[in-house]
Amino acid sequence: AQKVTQAQTEISVVEKEDVTLDCVYETRDTTYYLFWYKQPPSGELVFLIRRNSFDEQNEISGRYSWNFQKSTSSFNFTITASQVVDSAVYFCALSLDGNNRKLIWGLGTSLAVNP
Amino acid sequence: DTGVSQDPRHKITKRGQNVTFRCDPISEHNRLYWYRQTLGQGPEFLTYFQNEAQLEKSRLLSDRFSAERPKGSFSTLEIQRTEQGDSAMYLCASRGSGLAGGEQFFGPGTRLTVL
Repeated sequence: AQKVTQAQTEISVVEKEDVTLDCVYETRDTTYYLFWYKQPPSGELVFLIRRNSFDEQNEISGRYSWNFQKSTSSFNFTITASQVVDSAVYFCALSLDGNNRKLIWGLGTSLAVNP
Repeated sequence: DTGVSQDPRHKITKRGQNVTFRCDPISEHNRLYWYRQTLGQGPEFLTYFQNEAQLEKSRLLSDRFSAERPKGSFSTLEIQRTEQGDSAMYLCASRGSGLAGGEQFFGPGTRLTVL
């Protein structure tokens, strides 16, 4: 069975701190895709990144970076120099190869960045 | 290029009434998904369309739920004889057929409250 675990339910940091959101996934498939989405208080899910199982390169986009490690089945997300606008719920999700590719979601991590 | 739109944004209904939601995907996307999200949870997959064909339905989708995508464009999700447990955010997402593992783009959701 496939599963995504986000062990951190809530994180609170002070602005400009770095913060890492953890994501651990389970699947026996060799081809899969990992995603991070942001859900601000407005409620709309915003796509942040997609990573394919055969590409373990880490990625950096501005203040955001992602660390994909197949050996530990983890896909962690780091925000550097956090800002108040980063406050949101962040979801990690998994999809498998095939025509469907429905998303299997973690429970989310609620991040509060305080001024 | 407009994003995914959903209508209505909010719906309050009494138990036992029927409700219908609409989703308009990104125009060039032929894949469409419905998810349901309750408070404090990640989204749960409900159903998937490729063009006009409904290719997968979750067991969460009881016989009171029906979804259609006539002509492979917009989609509707109908809930008959609503129950209080149906109260949730109903999310629609669309995905193109280009990139393998391509990301899903979400609409703003329809928040249903059943009294």
